[in-house]
Parts: sequence; structure tokens; C-alpha cells
Amino acid sequence: KAGVTQTPRYLIKTRGQQVTLSCSPISGHRSVSWYQQTPGQGLQFLFEYFSETQRNKGNFPGRFSGRQFSNSRSEMNVSTLELGDSALYLCASSFLNDGYTFGSGTRLTVV
Amino acid sequence: QQPVQSPQAVILREGEDAVINCSSSKALYSVHWYRQKHGEAPVFLMILLKGGEQKGHEKISASFNEKKQQSSLYLTASQLSYSGTYFCGTVLSNAGNMLTFGGGTRLMVKP
Repeated sequence: KAGVTQTPRYLIKTRGQQVTLSCSPISGHRSVSWYQQTPGQGLQFLFEYFSETQRNKGNFPGRFSGRQFSNSRSEMNVSTLELGDSALYLCASSFLNDGYTFGSGTRLTVV
Repeated sequence: QQPVQSPQAVILREGEDAVINCSSSKALYSVHWYRQKHGEAPVFLMILLKGGEQKGHEKISASFNEKKQQSSLYLTASQLSYSGTYFCGTVLSNAGNMLTFGGGTRLMVKP
């Protein structure tokens, strides 16, 4: 079966701009989580959605937001980009409270 | 609070064994283990629920000590393919599937 699909794979943005990242989970998976991965901070939790509802939110500023649609696809948005937002953004889906399947990620570079 | 992994890095020869530990200061509902190879997404290895169970996956197994809030990942007769960074992820409750990841353990297996 198809895995978790994230688009785009790479993105270069300028400070102050905003960006939207997309994630399509494995068919049947209703839980979608987002993580930011950097060499210095490791894997940091952003949000978790289940059936269009945000169940958990990490300690990120309000510039980071997300949503989940009725087909379980999810998007995350970062507004007013800062240089420190440069990172690999990973989306993961799970059936219920079981193991994650990660997508390949979106590499965001802010210049 | 982020779980603490030890060691931070380990180098093995093929066929040698290794143990990676993960400790939390909070009571855990479950512990996940993932392996990430360079340039790739993390891959789920196994999940352990509270109750002190032990699980196995080929020559990789893990245990969860609920009293100590610790989990250990055991790699036996290591193979070159085991190289990568291992992350534990902890879940505090069954109200959602929010994982908090440890800082990772870099494992290198040499011929």
C-alpha cells in the first residue's frame, strides 16, 4: 500500500514569507502528527491531529499552525518565516495509538 | 520532558551486541523505538506498552521497566544494516499518540 506522502520535498523561502506543507497519510490512518527535525534540537513535536481535531500541540510559536481534512490529509503552515525555521519537517501517520509511519519529509530552507 | 538516551554514540564490529537505553522522568504509557538512516525518514521498529513486556524483531528486541520508566533496546549479532540513529519515543497517556523523542543514539557497525 502507498506510504505517507509529503509535498513538496524541498522548499526555499525568504524570511517573512509563509509556507504550506502537505501530508497524505496511509489510507485508513486517522492520526497525523508533524515533527520538526534539526541537527541541534532533534525531533521536536509540532502537532497531532485525529479526525480533523487537534489532539496535542507542541511548544512552538503561534506562527506554526496546522489542520486536517475529512480525508485525513493534513497541512501545516508557517507564517512570517525566520531563519531558524530551516529544518526537515516530517509528517507521520498511525492507525490509532500505534507505531508511526513517517513520510520522507519536506526540507525547508529559509534565506 | 524529553526522554534521555544513552549512550549518545556507539561503534561496533559486525556480530557484536549493543544496548541502548531510554529513561523518562515521567510515568509512561508506552515507548516506541525507531531507526533513522542518513537522509531517510525514521522507521518504526517496535512499541512497548506499560506492563513490562518485552518484544522482539529479528535480532532486535526491547524491554520496558515500568517501575523505573526505562526502556532498553537490544541489538544482538549486529549487521552492517543496523547502522543509523536510534530514537526512543515516549507517550505519557492513551489520550492521543503524541511522541516525545529522545536525542538519539548513533550506531555505527563496521565490518
